[in-house]
Amino acid sequence: GDSVTQMEGPVTLSEEAFLTINCTYTATGYPSLFWYVQYPGEGLQLLLKATKADDKGSNKGFEATYRKETTSFHLEKGSVQVSDSAVYFCALRVNTGFQKLVFGTGTRLLVSP
Amino acid sequence: EADIYQTPRYLVIGTGKKITLECSQTMGHDKMYWYQQDPGMELHLIHYSYGVNSTEKGDLSSESTVSRIRTEHFPLTLESARPSHTSQYLCASSEFGNHNEQFFGPGTRLTVL
Repeated sequence: GDSVTQMEGPVTLSEEAFLTINCTYTATGYPSLFWYVQYPGEGLQLLLKATKADDKGSNKGFEATYRKETTSFHLEKGSVQVSDSAVYFCALRVNTGFQKLVFGTGTRLLVSP
Repeated sequence: EADIYQTPRYLVIGTGKKITLECSQTMGHDKMYWYQQDPGMELHLIHYSYGVNSTEKGDLSSESTVSRIRTEHFPLTLESARPSHTSQYLCASSEFGNHNEQFFGPGTRLTVL
């Protein structure tokens, strides 16, 4: 079935460090891919998305490229801030039927000053 | 800006009580969802709806029930709460169509004693 695998956390970084959170997927067809972020005590917010191979999603300095050949959608940011501390979820949506989201298990990011 | 609301935000209740978690959205979205998020952060889809008078079970079996009498309202009910129901419950909505993102509410954190 469809699934998403993302790296386990927590990921602990100092401010201004480079961030990579790995995400790979298994899906039939051509899914859309998403990164959601969850700040403490809140719901999920869409961070970025990509809908076809080689698309690059970007937002707030974060970016991820839809790589069909490696079935990956790794999240990167060049210089993290303390305010980026949150849980990050990679997700896919198969664009048939109900089009539900399939989430990874989440990766907690902790950024220290 | 997402306009999806959940009440209450926090609920502590005793075993055996009946509870209803409210979810409302003002975006006119047809599709709505309930997720259960366990302490390990993983999200599980427990209910979804295509529109008014449509409700379906999700991937994770749940003793809760839902109703969809109005487009904007998708309440979740537990007839008899148990400690195993302690969790975070997240509501979401989306438009029909490919590539449309899900918008999430802030969540209800339920504790059953």
